[in-house]
Amino acid sequence: EDQVTQSPEALRLQEGESSSLNCSYTVSGLRGLFWYRQDPGKGPEFLFTLYSAGEEKEKERLKATLTKKESFLHITAPKPEDSATYLCAVPLYEEGAQKLVFGQGTRLTINP
Amino acid sequence: KAGVTQTPRYLIKTRGQQVTLSCSPISGHRSVSWYQQTPGQGLQFLFEYFSETQRNKGNFPGRFSGRQFSNSRSEMNVSTLELGDSALYLCASSLSRYEQYFGPGTRLTVT
Repeated sequence: EDQVTQSPEALRLQEGESSSLNCSYTVSGLRGLFWYRQDPGKGPEFLFTLYSAGEEKEKERLKATLTKKESFLHITAPKPEDSATYLCAVPLYEEGAQKLVFGQGTRLTINP
Repeated sequence: KAGVTQTPRYLIKTRGQQVTLSCSPISGHRSVSWYQQTPGQGLQFLFEYFSETQRNKGNFPGRFSGRQFSNSRSEMNVSTLELGDSALYLCASSLSRYEQYFGPGTRLTVT
């Protein structure tokens, strides 16, 4: 069964304390992996798309990387405004239609 | 470019009633997907529409249905509401096989 698992479920850091979030997947024929950020009560905000192992994408304090079995979202010197739930998702294609399979998310809290 | 819009933002309904939610995709996007988000189950795929046709459907009962109009706007309907249908319903649009962009969601509460 296609699965996406994120760890840890929750992470609390001090401002400036760097760390990484993990997203592992068991999907045959991976055709990309997406990272989203979600603030409470809002829809997920698109961050990155990664298509192949070894690929890296960066945006401000965030860097996403992809291997054959997992992806990491590295956050460098985070600020309180980086507090959010970070979701990863894998697209599955069935008869031309796409659906996203999401992990459960990592709830990140950055304390000032 | 305007993002995905969803109306209404909040709804309170009673068990047994039905509800219709609306979604307007990003201009030019022809694919619209719907997801249900709950604390226990996370984000789960409901269905996807492309050019007014449902292309894919998740594992939800037939009480959940949807449609897409010629201007790509989409609606989803839930009939005979149950307490467990309380959730954040999210709509996402995309250029078919690319990343999906989400709207702010409709928070449905069933009492």
